[in-house]
Amino acid sequence: GENVEQHPSTLSVQEGDSAVIKCTYSDSASNYFPWYKQELGKGPQLIIDIRSNVGEKKDQRIAVTLNKTAKHFSLHITETQPEDSAVYFCAATFSGSARQLTFGSGTQLTVLP
Amino acid sequence: DAEITQSPRHKITETGRQVTLACHQTWNHNNMFWYRQDLGHGLRLIHYSYGVHDTNKGEVSDGYSVSRSNTEDLPLTLESAASSQTSVYFCARGGGPCFGPGTRLLVL
Repeated sequence: GENVEQHPSTLSVQEGDSAVIKCTYSDSASNYFPWYKQELGKGPQLIIDIRSNVGEKKDQRIAVTLNKTAKHFSLHITETQPEDSAVYFCAATFSGSARQLTFGSGTQLTVLP
Repeated sequence: DAEITQSPRHKITETGRQVTLACHQTWNHNNMFWYRQDLGHGLRLIHYSYGVHDTNKGEVSDGYSVSRSNTEDLPLTLESAASSQTSVYFCARGGGPCFGPGTRLLVL
């Protein structure tokens, strides 16, 4: 089955700096890669996703890149703000599996004011 | 607004008791999932359903069961609760997926 590794497990940045979280996956059949943000006491919220036919996707301060050859994908947050502080999860799936996701272990991002 | 709800939000039970966690969605989506979240393990799939009367085992299904009698609901049952099942449980619907707010379960 799929295995997703996520690094780093914790990340602290100064407000206004950029943050990068990286994930690798094992199953070359995976073709859908969402990212979730989880705030304390809440469920994960989808913030951005990318499909394997695209190398990069942006949404305001958030971007995701995908390297299919190397089987890794990354989340980039620019101009970080204190409200970006949360746990971020990457995930991967073969969309034919109706979105049964395999998750990374999470990154605790802290944005220092 | 369409949404996904879970109940109860917090539950304390004793070892050996049967516990049922409810999940209800108003999107009328065929695909529904149950995950558990533990420190160091992220989210792991327990069971999932692709439609009414369809249920499937996920990565960590031992000790859990689900039933799907209608599109809106996928209750998760712990047949005989164990301390190892202390966790936060998230229900999700497909098309994203989109997660509910979670149920924090403590088994004493």
